[in-house]
Amino acid sequence: DAGVIQSPRHEVTEMGQEVTLRCKPISGHDYLFWYRQTMMRGLELLIYFNNNVPIDDSGMPEDRFSAKMPNASFSTLKIQPSEPRDSAVYFCASSYDLNEQFFGPGTRLTVL
Amino acid sequence: GDSVTQMEGPVTLSEEAFLTINCTYTATGYPSLFWYVQYPGEGLQLLLKATKADDKGSNKGFEATYRKETTSFHLEKGSVQVSDSAVYFCALSDTNRDDKIIFGKGTRLHILP
Repeated sequence: DAGVIQSPRHEVTEMGQEVTLRCKPISGHDYLFWYRQTMMRGLELLIYFNNNVPIDDSGMPEDRFSAKMPNASFSTLKIQPSEPRDSAVYFCASSYDLNEQFFGPGTRLTVL
Repeated sequence: GDSVTQMEGPVTLSEEAFLTINCTYTATGYPSLFWYVQYPGEGLQLLLKATKADDKGSNKGFEATYRKETTSFHLEKGSVQVSDSAVYFCALSDTNRDDKIIFGKGTRLHILP
């Protein structure tokens, strides 16, 4: 298996633009997680899905952030409009159960 | 709610030194405990885990024992290498409640040659 795939690996955009991050989880994994990592705040869970259904989105910072999982093999995290404080590394992770999560390589987002 | 507290970093050691990174937890149920490692430029990956009291997880020379009496899961390695330089995250998951993994803030480890 190729592992969790994220795209793009790097994204540079200007304030106010829409940003879409993509994730393909490992086949057969029922859980999908979106995290944000910054030096100041560390690793933060934004939202997670079970069988394509959002279970906990309490970590989504504000309405500018939205996440979808239209099917078992694809998820998106969208920021609209983006702001400089959204600059971070965004990780997607998937798991078969809650005992081990497999992380993707991350998307480094820079908002100018 | 459940939580994980780990020692703040960075921790700097010389090669072949003994490593301990402390981790304590608070949980209402009977959680599974984990150590994840993040190498520079990569995502987190599971290093080891323990699912019940007195279990010892081990991998790549690292060990941690699930201590229910002290609610701890300290990470140890007898002789560290430069390649062990990374950020280490302690985490717990209460699978009986079908809930998400809770991560600690991470401890950055620097190993000097």
